[in-house]
Amino acid sequence: GNSVTQMEGPVTLSEEAFLTINCTYTATGYPSLFWYVQYPGEGLQLLLKATKADDKGSNKGFEATYRKETTSFHLEKGSVQVSDSAVYFCALGKASYDKVIFGPGTSLSVIP
Amino acid sequence: GAVVSQHPSWVICKSGTSVKIECRSLDFQATTMFWYRQFPKQSLMLMATSNEGSKATYEQGVEKDKFLINHASLTLSTLTVTSAHPEDSSFYICSAPLPETGLLSSYEQYFGPGTRLTVT
Repeated sequence: GNSVTQMEGPVTLSEEAFLTINCTYTATGYPSLFWYVQYPGEGLQLLLKATKADDKGSNKGFEATYRKETTSFHLEKGSVQVSDSAVYFCALGKASYDKVIFGPGTSLSVIP
Repeated sequence: GAVVSQHPSWVICKSGTSVKIECRSLDFQATTMFWYRQFPKQSLMLMATSNEGSKATYEQGVEKDKFLINHASLTLSTLTVTSAHPEDSSFYICSAPLPETGLLSSYEQYFGPGTRLTVT
């Protein structure tokens, strides 16, 4: 079946460090891939997305490239800030009007 | 842009009572909406798919008589937690697909801000 796996953390980084959160997926066909961010006590926000192989999604300094050959969609940021502390969810969508499948989430804490 | 709202944002109820959570699509119609539940430090788990004009589809293990879903209109779905117990305390999030069609669809969904339910 369809599923998403990601490193669960928690991840603790110093401010300005490089961030990578690994995400791999299992799906048939051509899913869209997403990264969502959830700040403490809040709902989900779409961080970035990619809809086809080799697409790169980017937003707020975060990037992820849709790699079909490795079924991966790793999230990266060159220099994290304290304000990036949140839980990050990798997810996939298989069809319009179908559910989104989430990974387990990765908690990130950035310390000054 | 299009958004999804939820009401209330948080609610405290006593054990044995029922509580209703509303999910509204603003500025777009949603024939399908999804209800997720999130326990602390866990991921979102799909509870059910809400379909306008027909019965909801529940995921395995979700009690349909306990979590009543009504998709009354093209912009409103409600989740009623009946006879709530402390173990029902959770963060409930709804979503609705973007009104996209055709080859350019990204399969993206709009998520509501969530409702935090605490049952005492």
